Amino acid sequence: AQKVTQAQTEISVVEKEDVTLDCVYETRDTTYYLFWYKQPPSGELVFLIRRNSFDEQNEISGRYSWNFQKSTSSFNFTITASQVVDSAVYFCALSEANFGNEKLTFGTGTRLTIIP
Amino acid sequence: SQTIHQWPATLVQPVGSPLSLECTVEGTSNPNLYWYRQAAGRGLQLLFYSVGIGQISSEVPQNLSASRPQDRQFILSSKKLLLSDSGFYLCAWSARDRWDTEAFFGQGTRLTVV
Repeated sequence: AQKVTQAQTEISVVEKEDVTLDCVYETRDTTYYLFWYKQPPSGELVFLIRRNSFDEQNEISGRYSWNFQKSTSSFNFTITASQVVDSAVYFCALSEANFGNEKLTFGTGTRLTIIP
Repeated sequence: SQTIHQWPATLVQPVGSPLSLECTVEGTSNPNLYWYRQAAGRGLQLLFYSVGIGQISSEVPQNLSASRPQDRQFILSSKKLLLSDSGFYLCAWSARDRWDTEAFFGQGTRLTVV
């Protein structure tokens, strides 16, 4: 069975600080996908990134970067120079590649508060 | 472009009353459809998913049921709500038979059972 663990329940940092959100996953499959979603106060989930299990390259998108390490089963998310608009709950998720059935298993989320 | 609609946005229902939440997707065909629940202070739990009309899989035993009467319509129901059914319900879709795709979520329904 697949499992996603986000050990950090809540994090608060002062604006402009860097912050890393941790994600550790468990799966028996060799082919799988990892995701990060952002849930702002309005409630909807906003897709941030998808990474497949064969691509361990780190990715950077503006102030966001992701570090995927299969050796430690981790997919961590770093926000550089944080801003108040980054305040949200962030979810890490895992999907095993069962064709036609892409269920997502979510972590419990990390509530990030950026203090102005 | 694809859009997903979910309603109502908020709902307050008494214990023992029925429930019907509706979700529709536009701009795509044969989507996979999902119902998730987010209890207060907790993560997202997959309740039901569907890969086609009339095909429903339940992930956890509960007081809720789901139906898919049309290709792009997904309904979450209950005959008698419990207090523990309170939460934030999210509908989502993903492209069928695509490994490299994310799920797209609706705006959610905040249900409070009183």
